[in-house]
Amino acid sequence: QQQVKQSPQSLIVQKGGISIINCAYENTAFDYFPWYQQFPGKGPALLIAIRPDVSEKKEGRFTISFNKSAKQFSLHIMDSQPGDSATYFCAASKGSGGYQKVTFGTGTKLQVIP
Amino acid sequence: GVTQSPTHLIKTRGQQVTLRCSSQSGHNTVSWYQQALGQGPQFIFQYYREEENGRGNFPPRFSGLQFPNDSSELNVNALELDDSALYLCASSLYPNEKLFFGSGTQLSVL
Repeated sequence: QQQVKQSPQSLIVQKGGISIINCAYENTAFDYFPWYQQFPGKGPALLIAIRPDVSEKKEGRFTISFNKSAKQFSLHIMDSQPGDSATYFCAASKGSGGYQKVTFGTGTKLQVIP
Repeated sequence: GVTQSPTHLIKTRGQQVTLRCSSQSGHNTVSWYQQALGQGPQFIFQYYREEENGRGNFPPRFSGLQFPNDSSELNVNALELDDSALYLCASSLYPNEKLFFGSGTQLSVL
């Protein structure tokens, strides 16, 4: 059962362009939606995160848009740079239950070409 | 940061393996994830103050230990071919705090 669906699987963007990655979730109990960036040979690193009481969060060139009614959220990378080339994972978790289980999407491999 | 050892490991089906993790100093919580090739990480379990705090959909042959000195272990018994994956350790200050991942151990089961 895939609780977090992510698309596209891969993405090629020109330098300076906008990269957009979309995710959809099923479990309405999720209350925390992070995005992780993973470079080859490294573990995922938290990039930006949002809670469902906010519709948008921006940190530098990275913006999360959140649509609670549609159960969808997306990552926008403005002015994409070759150094942004990595695999991006959307994720979701719920804070209740005394422990954190993060459910990850299947990942989007982003390539930014000069 | 979070360090894991070894970086790569090759085992045979049916064997047992122990993977090690050193958490960020002062972090009380360690979580383990399995990342199959081309997939997102999947939650195995979480340990908080040396007790298992939560578990994902993994069989009992996956077990763990957390020690007071910021170190922890993931043990897998009776290895199966499908256990081949990148195993990630993540530490956090408390169970629901930000996760800091290590670079993982790549396990190959032949």
